[in-house]
Amino acid sequence: EDKVVQSPLSLVVHEGDTVTLNCSYEVTNFRSLLWYKQEKKAPTFLFMLTSSGIEKKSGRLSSILDKKELFSILNITATQTGDSAVYLCAVVSISNFGNEKLTFGTGTRLTIIP
Amino acid sequence: EAQVTQNPRYLITVTGKKLTVTCSQNMNHEYMSWYRQDPGLGLRQIYYSMNVEVTDKGDVPEGYKVSRKEKRNFPLILESPSPNQTSLYFCASSFWGTGYYEQYFGPGTRLTVT
Repeated sequence: EDKVVQSPLSLVVHEGDTVTLNCSYEVTNFRSLLWYKQEKKAPTFLFMLTSSGIEKKSGRLSSILDKKELFSILNITATQTGDSAVYLCAVVSISNFGNEKLTFGTGTRLTIIP
Repeated sequence: EAQVTQNPRYLITVTGKKLTVTCSQNMNHEYMSWYRQDPGLGLRQIYYSMNVEVTDKGDVPEGYKVSRKEKRNFPLILESPSPNQTSLYFCASSFWGTGYYEQYFGPGTRLTVT
C-alpha cells in the first residue's frame, strides 16, 4: 500500500523565521511528488517535483526531491502570517491498470505568530 | 476563468437516501478525481478518471460510484449513504504535460449523514 508521511504534524514559529517541512514516501511506480497549501478552503497547488536534486522555487518557497532516500522538503524563508496554513504533500504513482493515482500525506499545520 | 464547480456545497441527509454530488470543470482536463478529507486522515482519493469512460478506484472507493460520460463532468454517487460517509468532499481536475502540471480543486462539499 502506498504511504506518504509528513512531519512535523504541527509547527509554530515567529514571523521572519525559516521553516522546513518534510515528506517521506513509500510507493510503487513513483511518477512525481506534489506540494499544496491549504487554508480554510480547497488545497492550492504549489510545486511538482519529478527529478532528484533539482530545486523548484517560487518566491520565498522552495522544494527539492530525493528519489534515492524517498523524501522531499519544502522550505519557507522569512515567514509571514499569510503562510499560516496546512501544507500537504502528495505522491503520484502509476496503478496496476496504468492509471495515475494520488496519495496524500496528512499534512503539516504551520502557524506563524506575528 | 479556470474553474471547478461542485454542487451542493452543503448537504445534510439521512442514512440510505441516494444522493449525487456534481462536479464540472471548464479547462478540458482529461484527469478528474474525488477526495474526502477527514480530521487526522488527510485527503484520501475515492475515485479518479483518466478520460471519458475511464475510471479507477482510489484508496477508499467503498460506498461510492462515479461516472464519466462527458469530459467536463464527474459526478460522485452515494447509493446508500451511511454516517461514516460524513466528510468534506473535494473534486479536482488536472493536466500533466512534460515537466508541467496544473491542478484545480473545487470549493468542497460538506456532507453530513444522520
